[in-house]
Formats: sequence, structure tokens, C-alpha cells
Amino acid sequence: QLQLQESGPGLVKPSETLSLTCAVSGASISSSSGYYWGWIRQPPGKGLEWVGSISHSGSTYYYPSLKSRVTISVDTSQNQFSLEVKYVTAADTAVYYCARHDPWDYWSQGTLVTVSS
Amino acid sequence: QSVLTQPPSVSAAAGQKVTISCSGSGSNIGNNYVSWFQQLPGTAPKLLIYENNKRPSGIPDRFSGSKSGTSATLGIAGLQTGDEADYYCGAWDNSLSAHVFGTGTEVTVL
Repeated sequence: QLQLQESGPGLVKPSETLSLTCAVSGASISSSSGYYWGWIRQPPGKGLEWVGSISHSGSTYYYPSLKSRVTISVDTSQNQFSLEVKYVTAADTAVYYCARHDPWDYWSQGTLVTVSS
Repeated sequence: QSVLTQPPSVSAAAGQKVTISCSGSGSNIGNNYVSWFQQLPGTAPKLLIYENNKRPSGIPDRFSGSKSGTSATLGIAGLQTGDEADYYCGAWDNSLSAHVFGTGTEVTVL
């Protein structure tokens, strides 16, 4: 059974960089040629927002308005992928999920990241 | 970020059927597959429907999906109290080159 588990700080100061890692177990990212690995966030009380995704080979694509601040990378040796969001503001406060797609069939439990001084 | 429009809430009595609409455009629903997700309170989204009308293993056939033109619909038959949740549609948007989600619909069982 595929499982995804994110990890990272729950509190980040404004203007700093948010960093999260999603560890994948039960399947190998490197052998999942037909899938992408994505990050989705959900501000408190609001809807889902796609942040970006990466393939097993490292091809990335990001939501246009976030593209200048977001980097997603993959480490196939550790079977994990990571998210960085630079220059964060309070608007980046959200529950962050990692997930496999397409289809969007496996999701992590989510981790709340708060941007505050 | 939401370019797909859903009703904020729908409700029905237990055992009845509800439908949730998802309205988009030619750049998303009109030319791409639609997925539907269920988000129970305090939990991660769960895939209910993919490729417009396919159910993943383990999803009961009470849940159904359809698409017509630039709109999609999720149906939940035999409504149960355990179905009380937020539901989201999602699709790829060719103009944005981005995955987009709907505004979300809260389902209440009366």
C-alpha cells in the first residue's frame, strides 16, 4: 500500500523559505514512470490549491502565480520529493499535502504550516 | 485560484440522492478529464471519481460522475450521515497549464 508522509517545520517567519519533504513508501518513485508527484495546499477554511508537481525524472511544472517562488525537487535515492516556497507571507499559511497523480489516488495526511513572526 | 465553480452547499435527507455541479470552460472541463474528491472534516482529500466517471477500487457505486460540455456532475445516491463532507472537482486547465480545483461544496444530511 502506497503511503506518503510529509515532514518539515510547522512555523516559518515571513520572508523566509518554507521547506517540506514528502517521503514515499510502498512504491518506488523511480519506477513510477506514468505518475507525477504533487503538492497541494489548503489555507485554513478555504479550498484546495495546486502548487506544483514533478515527475520521477525531474520534470516540473508549477501554478503560474507561484512559479517565481516555488521549487520542487526529487531524490529517487531517498524515495522522496521536496517543496520550497521562498519569500513566504501570511498568505502561504496552509495545510500542505503531497500526493501522487494521475489520477490523484494517494494523498498524505497533511501538515499545517503557519507563516508568522 | 479556483476557476471551477461549485454550489457552496447542498443537502438532502438520509437515503435520498444529491447532485453537485462543477462548472468550467473549454480550457478545462470542456477538453480534459474531471476528478472528484471527498474531504471529511480534518482529513485529507480522497479520490472518488477520475476520468469523468471511473471509480477507484473501494469506492461504492453510490458515487457517480458525469460530464457534459463544460460542466460535470457528481451524484451521491442513498445518502448517509458518513457522507457529510466537502466535495471538490478538479481538472487540468490548458490555458493556465495548471491543475485547478473547484470552489468546494459542503454536503449536509438532514
